[in-house]
Amino acid sequence: EVQLVESGGGLVQAGGSLRLSCEVSGFTFSSFAMSWVRQAPGKGLEWVSVISGSSTYTYYADSVKGRFTVFRDDSKNTLYLQMTSLRVEDTAIYYCAKDSGKYPTYNWFDPWGQGTLVTVSS
Amino acid sequence: DIQMTQSPSSLSASVGDRVTIACRTSQSISSYLNWYQQKPGKAPNLLIYTASNLRSGVPSRFSGSGYGTDFTLTISNLQPEDFATYYCQQSFSTPFTFGPGTKVDIK
Repeated sequence: EVQLVESGGGLVQAGGSLRLSCEVSGFTFSSFAMSWVRQAPGKGLEWVSVISGSSTYTYYADSVKGRFTVFRDDSKNTLYLQMTSLRVEDTAIYYCAKDSGKYPTYNWFDPWGQGTLVTVSS
Repeated sequence: DIQMTQSPSSLSASVGDRVTIACRTSQSISSYLNWYQQKPGKAPNLLIYTASNLRSGVPSRFSGSGYGTDFTLTISNLQPEDFATYYCQQSFSTPFTFGPGTKVDIK
């Protein structure tokens, strides 16, 4: 069974940093791209970032570019999202999701983790 | 960036109804359109991928269609467990934008 478990969320002040983790099991991690998607309280889904299998390609939403970094450790079956210069508007549940292919485009997200809540206070 | 719209933003329906949700993109995305269902307090779940392919395990009352810029999710014979919010998402180019969502609730 494929499982994704996020951790690392919490309360942080604006301008601070946080690192999210997503530990996976049940599939060959290095063979798939992985994505981060967030959802602000009561709002819709916003794609944040994707990293290809083998870390060849990374892409970001304009809203986080230059502040967030996605990376992965295939030896630990873990995906990460390093978040710096956090803003109040980054407050959201952050989900990791398995892409359907190794490279970022033309994929779908399945499954998703349960999410981890990041709260940025002013 | 590719802009996504969904209509309606919400709808009320009864068990047994047929429901149709539309998703439109600002430019052609071929068939690279996915549909997700999200229930309150839960992570989204994939329903349909590449416009019309039903994810394994998803009931056959869900179906998707469309190509280019106009897509549709149809739920035939609406069941109590289908009351949720539905999102479309394009995977044609980054950023992989989501539609604003359609909330389906009980009439």
